[in-house]
Amino acid sequence: QQQVKQSPQSLIVQKGGISIINCAYENTAFDYFPWYQQFPGKGPALLIAIRPDVSEKKEGRFTISFNKSAKQFSLHIMDSQPGDSATYFCAAGAMGFQKLVFGTGTRLLVSP
Amino acid sequence: NAGVTQTPKFRVLKTGQSMTLLCAQDMNHEYMYWYRQDPGMGLRLIHYSVGEGTTAKGEVPDGYNVSRLKKQNFLLGLESAAPSQTSVYFCATREDGYGYTFGSGTRLTVV
Repeated sequence: QQQVKQSPQSLIVQKGGISIINCAYENTAFDYFPWYQQFPGKGPALLIAIRPDVSEKKEGRFTISFNKSAKQFSLHIMDSQPGDSATYFCAAGAMGFQKLVFGTGTRLLVSP
Repeated sequence: NAGVTQTPKFRVLKTGQSMTLLCAQDMNHEYMYWYRQDPGMGLRLIHYSVGEGTTAKGEVPDGYNVSRLKKQNFLLGLESAAPSQTSVYFCATREDGYGYTFGSGTRLTVV
């Protein structure tokens, strides 16, 4: 019940295309859903996060779509660029959470 | 303002040796975490702390110990290193209600 399932494991997208990464959860107490971006040799960095009172949040080319009834959320990267090539992790936490539950990560490669 | 600093950045240990990884933060965050990252396994929580003087076990605590004697420092110890502990270790801190800030990692190889 504490798991967050992330797919796909890896993704190749052409420059200018849309990258989509999906996550699903089971614990209905989760109310905070962040996405982290990790470049090789670096620690993960918070990219964007959403709370379930909204169905979508956009920051620049990055959008989180949230479907509360389906218990799913996804990251969309519009106009993907080679500089977006990184590993992306979704995560989830509950109100007053002590720790986040992470997905297993998606390695994104944007080809020039 | 350094954020989260991990030392050392790299280390090679022989099986059976011990070592301590240090995580230091200057953000006055209460929560601190140690994760390990292995290919295809994502981020797995080893131990965490919700405040000075507290520690708790995560998903994969065996073979590790931790201490949080000062609010700004969280130490991860390996008493007798094993090849299975070869990994990249990340420390993270958290402000209440928000996401994590990660350090840059420690790459540990046990031979």
